[in-house]
Amino acid sequence: NAGVTQTPKFQVLKTGQSMTLQCAQDMNHEYMSWYRQDPGMGLRLIHYSVGAGITDQGEVPNGYNVSRSTTEDFPLRLLSAAPSQTSVYFCASSYLKGANSPLHFGNGTRLTVT
Amino acid sequence: RKEVEQDPGPFNVPEGATVAFNCTYSNSASQSFFWYRQDCRKEPKLLMSVYSSGNEDGRFTAQLNRASQYISLLIRDSKLSDSATYLCVALRGGSQGNLIFGKGTKLSVKP
Repeated sequence: NAGVTQTPKFQVLKTGQSMTLQCAQDMNHEYMSWYRQDPGMGLRLIHYSVGAGITDQGEVPNGYNVSRSTTEDFPLRLLSAAPSQTSVYFCASSYLKGANSPLHFGNGTRLTVT
Repeated sequence: RKEVEQDPGPFNVPEGATVAFNCTYSNSASQSFFWYRQDCRKEPKLLMSVYSSGNEDGRFTAQLNRASQYISLLIRDSKLSDSATYLCVALRGGSQGNLIFGKGTKLSVKP
């Protein structure tokens, strides 16, 4: 039972490089999201999606793009990495209906931008 | 003022102690509340939902006071394995996209 799978676990980028963080879930969840977690800041929502073909911005969307072509996958793209994007990134998913549907998180991606 | 505020701790308690965490939220439109647990360098996991009438799950009790916009988590007979960061979460509106996380309260249970 895979749940939410994130890759890679670790990544080091140079300023200006681009990369895609992958996220896949096998629970048929409608809702998927990306958070970043920084010391002293807590979890902050970057982008989210309520279904295939639908995405929306969260609290800190600048510098990131997302797409949702399938229910299972929700990749996060950094077009031109900046040191301010050094963080731990979590993908999370849940059923959409029911306010108490818990979020299932992936294991996280530790990104360092030098 | 941050929308969900928690005491960051750390709370250092001996095994067997009772410890209480508090959380306040500023948006009265928040509809649902949760406590998540996050172990060091791991992902957050749902600990329990918080209901208006209060709810209990073993050694854990969650309370909600809508009038004061205040949520609490009580851990009784704390174990070493309870050491973690506890995140208070509010759902603003009906969409999961409106989940607001507090910064978390760190708990360290010592033998």
